[in-house]
Amino acid sequence: NAGVTQTPKFRVLKTGQSMTLLCAQDMNHEYMYWYRQDPGMGLRLIHYSVGEGTTAKGEVPDGYNVSRLKKQNFLLGLESAAPSQTSVYFCASSPGVASAIYGYTFGSGTRLTVV
Amino acid sequence: AQSVTQPDIHITVSEGASLELRCNYSYGATPYLFWYVQSPGQGLQLLLKYFSGDTLVQGIKGFEAEFKRSQSSFNLRKPSVHWSDAAEYFCAVGAGYSSASKIIFGSGTRLSIRP
Repeated sequence: NAGVTQTPKFRVLKTGQSMTLLCAQDMNHEYMYWYRQDPGMGLRLIHYSVGEGTTAKGEVPDGYNVSRLKKQNFLLGLESAAPSQTSVYFCASSPGVASAIYGYTFGSGTRLTVV
Repeated sequence: AQSVTQPDIHITVSEGASLELRCNYSYGATPYLFWYVQSPGQGLQLLLKYFSGDTLVQGIKGFEAEFKRSQSSFNLRKPSVHWSDAAEYFCAVGAGYSSASKIIFGSGTRLSIRP
């Protein structure tokens, strides 16, 4: 029972490099989310998806792109990494339209450092 | 729009002592309220949630929370803390029942346990 799996767990990038973070869930959840966590700021929503083939912007979408080609996967891309994107990234999923009622299931996070 | 405030950034309590973590929310209608716990290097785990009924909610690991509409609060309590409770705690509020509904997280309270 894996739940939500994030890869990689750690990554160091140089400024200007690109990378993709992968989130996979095996619970047949409709909704998926990408958050970033920074000290003193809690979790901030980057992008989210309410179903396969859909994406939407959250609070802090600039500098990131996402894709949801398959229901179980939600990819977060950084096209040109900047030091301000140094953070811990969390993926989450929820069953569907009642997600704000029932809560999310989180992955264990990806710690990204941009130097 | 909904918002969540956790006024305490860091709290230290002695092992065996009681604990109360504060959470205040802002939302015009009945909110859906959550407490999550994040152990070091881990993702967020749901402790408990409230969306209707009894205002005193029981959760996992011996935690409980009380919803007080008049004070717009949802404080987390535990009668006797254990060293393993050292973690970061997030209060969150969800609102709405649509594809646009999301959960908003507070900035977190870090709990340290004094031996």
